[in-house]
Amino acid sequence: QEKVQQSPESLIVPEGAMVSLNCSFSDSASQSIWWYQQHPGKGPKALISIFSNGNKKEGRLTVYLNRASLHVSLHIKDSQPSDSAVYLCAVSMPGGNNKLTFGQGTVLSVIP
Amino acid sequence: EAAVTQSPRNKVAVTGGKVTLSCNQTNNHNNMYWYRQDTGHGLRLIHYSYGAGSTEKGDIPDGYKASRPSQENFSLILELATPSQTSVYFCASGRDIYAEQFFGPGTRLTVL
Repeated sequence: QEKVQQSPESLIVPEGAMVSLNCSFSDSASQSIWWYQQHPGKGPKALISIFSNGNKKEGRLTVYLNRASLHVSLHIKDSQPSDSAVYLCAVSMPGGNNKLTFGQGTVLSVIP
Repeated sequence: EAAVTQSPRNKVAVTGGKVTLSCNQTNNHNNMYWYRQDTGHGLRLIHYSYGAGSTEKGDIPDGYKASRPSQENFSLILELATPSQTSVYFCASGRDIYAEQFFGPGTRLTVL
């Protein structure tokens, strides 16, 4: 079964800082890697996904995938207090049903 | 935007009782999922469905049943609730493989 590990567990940064979140997965056959954002008392919401090796940029978000090292990272530029949330890394496996295996999450706090 | 609703939002049940959690999506998505979220474990997949009439076991199906009577509705059933099933339950829907999953707001279940 796929294992997904995230680091750090929690992170506190000042407003405007660059944020870097890490995720390691165990199976090189994994398909897409997703990052979800979850605010307190809410359901997770998809932020960005990546399938191919390399990087993908959307607005203030950049994600880097290295399949050889089984590692993906999410970088948030110019962080805002509204970015304070739990960030979840999720990996989908081949099989045609888009089953996702989630990491335990990173709690991000952006201090004004 | 895709809409997934869950009911009830909060539920207190007694050990040994039957609990039914309901999920409705108006996105016409084929795939639907039930997860539970516990501190330290992240989101874990309980059951999922490819379409009306189908249910599949996820990673932690023991003690749970699922029902998909229509494209829009997906229920999670706890026939004999136990305190270990106290958790927050999320329903999600997705169009197909590789597509993002849209989550509902969650149901907080407490089994006494």
